[in-house]
Amino acid sequence: DAEITQSPRHKITETGRQVTLACHQTWNHNNMFWYRQDLGHGLRLIHYSYGVHDTNKGEVSDGYSVSRSNTEDLPLTLESAASSQTSVYFCASSESRGRTGELFFGEGSRLTVL
Amino acid sequence: AQSVTQLGSHVSVSEGALVLLRCNYSSSVPPYLFWYVQYPNQGLQLLLKYTTGATLVKGINGFEAEFKKSETSFHLTKPSAHMSDAAEYFCAVSDGFGNEKLTFGTGTRLTIIP
Repeated sequence: DAEITQSPRHKITETGRQVTLACHQTWNHNNMFWYRQDLGHGLRLIHYSYGVHDTNKGEVSDGYSVSRSNTEDLPLTLESAASSQTSVYFCASSESRGRTGELFFGEGSRLTVL
Repeated sequence: AQSVTQLGSHVSVSEGALVLLRCNYSSSVPPYLFWYVQYPNQGLQLLLKYTTGATLVKGINGFEAEFKKSETSFHLTKPSAHMSDAAEYFCAVSDGFGNEKLTFGTGTRLTIIP
């Protein structure tokens, strides 16, 4: 079955370290998204991509970067982790642009920055 | 810009009672509206969506929602709550122009009382 997987599921890191969260989907979806989930804020969009080599900033992109070198993967990098980036991160994917519909979510990556 | 307001961060209902989760949206263009459910330690999954056409939409697990343009609302209902309905529910909106980005509400945690 097609799926979307995130790794690691749990990570503890220190302030200032670089962290990369991986996201891999096997649906061959063009669209991929990264959200963070925080109590009282719901899900907020960090970055998104509509295809290979396409990346766009979302609502809360400061301190984060992404790159899209193939269809399947959209890794999220925190260049210098801050305590404010302690959160649960969700990757999602959807079919081609123009067919608004369902997002398929991974199970999340819980990041703690000490 | 679009936004979603979910009234009530926590809702408790007795098993067998009506479930009503409220969602109001703001959008300058005809919206696409979604309800997602999140079970503990899992990603989000689609319950139902409204794009165009019939304003009463039915989803999985007996849930339904009605799009009311005049009230800018998209409330989620289920006639009879089941213990398995305990989860967090998110309302979301997109602009319906092929822009796949969703803006999520802050979520409502539903507790079912035995």
